[in-house]
Amino acid sequence: DAGVIQSPRHEVTEMGQEVTLRCKPISGHNSLFWYRQTMMRGLELLIYFNNNVPIDDSGMPEDRFSAKMPNASFSTLKIQPSEPRDSAVYFCASSLGGITEAFFGQGTRLTVV
Amino acid sequence: EDKVVQSPLSLVVHEGDTVTLNCSYEVTNFRSLLWYKQEKKAPTFLFMLTSSGIEKKSGRLSSILDKKELFSILNITATQTGDSAVYLCANNVQGAQKLVFGQGTRLTINP
Repeated sequence: DAGVIQSPRHEVTEMGQEVTLRCKPISGHNSLFWYRQTMMRGLELLIYFNNNVPIDDSGMPEDRFSAKMPNASFSTLKIQPSEPRDSAVYFCASSLGGITEAFFGQGTRLTVV
Repeated sequence: EDKVVQSPLSLVVHEGDTVTLNCSYEVTNFRSLLWYKQEKKAPTFLFMLTSSGIEKKSGRLSSILDKKELFSILNITATQTGDSAVYLCANNVQGAQKLVFGQGTRLTINP
């Protein structure tokens, strides 16, 4: 298996633009997590899905952030409009029902200028 | 609120030294504690601990959990420069199926 696949690996955008980050979890995993990592705040859980259903989105910073999981093999995290303070590395991870360890993708480094 | 605290936040040692990294937690429904190593990119899994007092070992790395005192330690013996990384501790909260991470310990091994 190729592991968790995220795209793009790097994204530079201007303030106010819409940004969409993509994730393909490991086949067979039914839990998917979106994390944000910054120097100041470390790894923060934004939202997680179980069987494609959002379970806990309490970590989503504000209404500018939204996430979807239309099927078991694809998820998106959208920021609209983006702001400089959204600059961070965004990780997607998947696991088998939370029972096993979570496997992380390589992350998307987002820079909003 | 579920909380994971790691110490120290930063540690610099010489190659060959032994280090101990600490992780304490406060969670409402503990399921397991996990250690990850993060170099330049994604965190990679090291250990999952669910039972007190049972040491998990992988080469020069080992870890143990104390569920009564709510902490775990990660030991690295005979450190090498390749051990330089951020080490992350996380709690898997029962019923929530999510990982709550600590701030990490940045370990630097000097030759």
